[in-house]
Amino acid sequence: QIQLVQSGPELKKPGESVKISCKASGYTFTDYAMHWVKQAPGKGLKWMGWINTYTGKPTYADDFKGRFVFSLEASASTANLQISNLKNEDTATYFCARWELDYWGQGVMVTVSS
Amino acid sequence: DVVLTQTPPTLSATIGQSVSISCRSSQSLLDSDGDTYLNWLLQRPGQSPQLLIYSVSNLESGVPNRFSGSGSETDFTLKISGVEAEDLGVYYCMQATHAPLTFGSGTKLEIK
Repeated sequence: QIQLVQSGPELKKPGESVKISCKASGYTFTDYAMHWVKQAPGKGLKWMGWINTYTGKPTYADDFKGRFVFSLEASASTANLQISNLKNEDTATYFCARWELDYWGQGVMVTVSS
Repeated sequence: DVVLTQTPPTLSATIGQSVSISCRSSQSLLDSDGDTYLNWLLQRPGQSPQLLIYSVSNLESGVPNRFSGSGSETDFTLKISGVEAEDLGVYYCMQATHAPLTFGSGTKLEIK
């Protein structure tokens, strides 16, 4: 069956970096692009952008340009999200979701606190 | 960016009651390819969002047919015909016609 399995929760200090993974299984990874979505605690969903899993080209929403990097390990059917220079406002759950939004990862809670 | 306004923000229903959620867009969601990329998702407490309806009115595989979607251009509605206990959670509309993709602010469905 199709699954997106994300890495575990992270606790980081301001200024540090974090890398979150999203491993796909049950389908051909390069057939579907991957979205990334942010959900701050108690808040709604915010689209961060997407990555073309065939070419590796990322597209970022305006609010996520600069410190956020989408990447792939295509041989491992894995999409990654790296956030550098973490800020308190990056505290959130980060979801990956297949292009058609029909399958979602379980989410990764990233907590940024000094 | 396209703004999606959902109403009501909260909804309280009894089991078996039919309810509707409205989603209004700040601009037409009719794409140049003729499709309208307005989807509905449900996020149950502590879970990931789940796709219910895509392209206005198409039921995602495995979703009960008590869920239905309708609308066009800028006005859209999700209807639940006979709420069940498992339907509690937050419902989001989202659009994928215009970049960036955007979500409504959500409608929280509570069961009385």
